[in-house]
Amino acid sequence: DQQVKQNSPSLSVQEGRISILNCDYTNSMFDYFLWYKKYPAEGPTFLISISSIKDKNEDGRFTVFLNKSAKHLSLHIVPSQPGDSAVYFCAASVGGAQKLVFGQGTRLTINP
Amino acid sequence: ETGVTQSPTHLIKTRGQQVTLRCSSQSGHNTVSWYQQALGQGPQFIFQYYREEENGRGNFPPRFSGLQFPNYSSELNVNALELDDSALYLCASSPGGRREETQYFGPGTRLLVL
Repeated sequence: DQQVKQNSPSLSVQEGRISILNCDYTNSMFDYFLWYKKYPAEGPTFLISISSIKDKNEDGRFTVFLNKSAKHLSLHIVPSQPGDSAVYFCAASVGGAQKLVFGQGTRLTINP
Repeated sequence: ETGVTQSPTHLIKTRGQQVTLRCSSQSGHNTVSWYQQALGQGPQFIFQYYREEENGRGNFPPRFSGLQFPNYSSELNVNALELDDSALYLCASSPGGRREETQYFGPGTRLLVL
């Protein structure tokens, strides 16, 4: 039972353009959502999060949008840079940022 | 400030054996979580330790067990290894005590069961 789904295994975007990564969830009890980035041979690194009481959170080039009625969240990266090439994981939890349920990941490639 | 470290980096075992993986949490962190990441999948929560006590467990059988020590480092033990236990095992630490604290992940231990 995959409670958090990232339906796009990979995404290729030109440098300078917007990258949009999507994530869907099924458990309506989730109240906290996060995005992690992972480079090869490294552990996941926290990127940005959003509580279910909000529908948008921005941090520099990164913005996360939450649509609770659709059980959907997305990560926007503007502008995309070559260093953004990595695997991005969406994660969700109940009651905070612990005991995370992760999606399968989306490999983002930024082309020069 | 030292980040989360894990040892060993790679490990090969045979089916039926037992394995112990180790994690040193980031300085000042008293909460450690373990995740299993199978190939092509996202990390899956195994369990969490807070101040040496288990504080939540995912859908893993009892042959997955853990410990947290007074210095907040942690061990993950897996008994009676199965082929499906082949995965990247990630440890994450957080300061502890607040709901929305970020978890900081180590680089992982890659386990191969033959």
